[in-house]
Amino acid sequence: GAVVSQHPSWVICKSGTSVKIECRSLDFQATTMFWYRQFPKQSLMLMATSNEGSKATYEQGVEKDKFLINHASLTLSTLTVTSAHPEDSSFYICSASLGAEAQYFGPGTRLLVL
Amino acid sequence: GQNIDQPTEMTATEGAIVQINCTYQTSGFNGLFWYQQHAGEAPTFLSYNVLDGLEEKGRFSSFLSRSKGYSYLLLKELQMKDSASYLCAASSNTGGFKTIFGAGTRLFVKA
Repeated sequence: GAVVSQHPSWVICKSGTSVKIECRSLDFQATTMFWYRQFPKQSLMLMATSNEGSKATYEQGVEKDKFLINHASLTLSTLTVTSAHPEDSSFYICSASLGAEAQYFGPGTRLLVL
Repeated sequence: GQNIDQPTEMTATEGAIVQINCTYQTSGFNGLFWYQQHAGEAPTFLSYNVLDGLEEKGRFSSFLSRSKGYSYLLLKELQMKDSASYLCAASSNTGGFKTIFGAGTRLFVKA
């Protein structure tokens, strides 16, 4: 159990375009979903916490107008990187949890902005 | 504040035992996670300690001391496939649950 999927796994796009990443919990209903970004050889950096039906809580330094998060249901959250630039190239990982329990991570999405 | 420290890299030999230490300073501490992350992949859950003591799960064991703000992950009978980053993460409940991740310890297992 506790499977989280992410789509797409790879994205290459031109600078200025928007990219949407989906995160789904396949076999459980997640009260909370998290979005992380990870640069090579660095730790996971939490971007935002998302609860179903409410606005996401963004971490300090993360622009909410640039990284749009929608948590439409207990099994789906989306992250849209608007007007992507090369510095947004990174490994984006979502996770889903049932409160205080372990977070279960999706396989991640590699974004390369040219 | 929130702070997690763990060694950057460790090297061990196949078949041996290795202990990866982690110290944390976390307000609203709830519990301590260990995750394994292979290069280019997302983390996978290994263990979760809430109470003091040792929890054993196959070749992997995890220990927690809440009073000392200290945890370790013990890997026995090391295999080459254990080469990965091991992330120590503290669960915090300050106005909502949040997990703070350490930078990870890269473990190299050599033959």
